[in-house]
Formats: sequence, C-alpha cells, structure tokens
Amino acid sequence: AQTVTQSQPEMSVQEAETVTLSCTYDTSESDYYLFWYKQPPSRQMILVIRQEAYKQQNATENRFSVNFQKAAKSFSLKISDSQLGDAAMYFCAYRKNTGNQFYFGTGTSLTVIP
Amino acid sequence: DTAVSQTPKYLVTQMGNDKSIKCEQNLGHDTMYWYKQDSKKFLKIMFSYNNKELIINETVPNRFSPKSPDKAHLNLHINSLELGDSAVYFCASSQELHPQETQYFGPGTRLLVL
Repeated sequence: AQTVTQSQPEMSVQEAETVTLSCTYDTSESDYYLFWYKQPPSRQMILVIRQEAYKQQNATENRFSVNFQKAAKSFSLKISDSQLGDAAMYFCAYRKNTGNQFYFGTGTSLTVIP
Repeated sequence: DTAVSQTPKYLVTQMGNDKSIKCEQNLGHDTMYWYKQDSKKFLKIMFSYNNKELIINETVPNRFSPKSPDKAHLNLHINSLELGDSAVYFCASSQELHPQETQYFGPGTRLLVL
C-alpha cells in the first residue's frame, strides 16, 4: 500500500527566510503524481504545486519549489521569502497514474514569525 | 463560480441525531470523495464514488452512508451521531482519466456533536 510520511509535525520560519518541508512516500509504481496542498485557518485546501514522476525537472511556482528525488522517494517543498500568509498546514499527497485514490501525509503546521 | 460546494458549513447537533451533509461539484468530474479531518488535522479518506458507484469504502462505521444521486452530487448521511463524529468533513472531486490533475476540495463542514 502507498504511504506518505511527513516527519515534521510543526515547523517555523522567520519572515523573508526560506523553509523546507519534507515528505517521503512509499510506492512500487514508476509513474505517479505528487502534490503539496496548503490549508490555511480558513480550512480551504489549496493546491500549491504538483510534480509528475516522469519529469526530472523540479516543479516551481513563484516562491514555491520542490526537490523531487525519485530514487529516494522524497518530495520536499521549499518556500522562499516566507510571508505571513504562508502560515498554514501543508499536506503532501501521492496519486498513482491509474485509479482514483489520493494518499495524504499527516501534515506539517508552518508558523511564520514576523 | 464555486467548483465544489458543501452545505452546511457548520453543523451543531445533539448525540443520537441523524444529519446529512450535501456536496455538489460543477467541474464535470467523474469521481467524488468524502474525507474526515480530526482535531489533529489528520485527513482520512472515508468514501469515493466514481460515476455514481462506490469504489473506496474505508473502515467507517455503517452509521455513515454516502449517497450519489448523480455524478455531480455526493451526499453524506450520518445516523445516530456520536461525540467522536465531531470533525471537519471535506468533499472533493477529481477526474479519473486525468491523474495529473489535483483533487478539488469543498470548503469543509465543521460538525460538532454535543
């Protein structure tokens, strides 16, 4: 069974600094998709960034980027120039190339210190 | 336009009551999900429907019964509510044949059982 592990329940970062949230996953598949979601206090789940496993290039969305290490089954999220609005729960998720199920990690609560 | 909507957003009720949460998506997706998020923010899949058919049914008490009248709707009915049912319930949708696409989440329904 696929599992997604986020080993950091809580993280904090100084405003304008950079922080990296870690995520590892377990799979025997070669083709799959990885996602990072942000859940602010409003509870709305928002897609931050996605990565296709067949792509070697790391995905980037403005201040958000990933470090995708396929062999190590690692998918970390880097937030640069952290802003107060980045404070939220962050969930890592995995989806196989077929089927409907998404597998979520347990989340990392990020605090941004002014 | 709201992509995935849930009603109600808040639900406070007494133990033993029966309640329903409605979910609708206007994205044309063929798969819909119900998740439960507990006080520790863990996101747990409960059910998944594809084209109105149940495809994922995790270990959930049979007091919970999903109903999908059509592809755009997946309602959750809960009988004999218990204190432990207090949580935030999220509806989500996705397209099976587009695994690169994310799930789209509703705003969540906060259920409090007294």
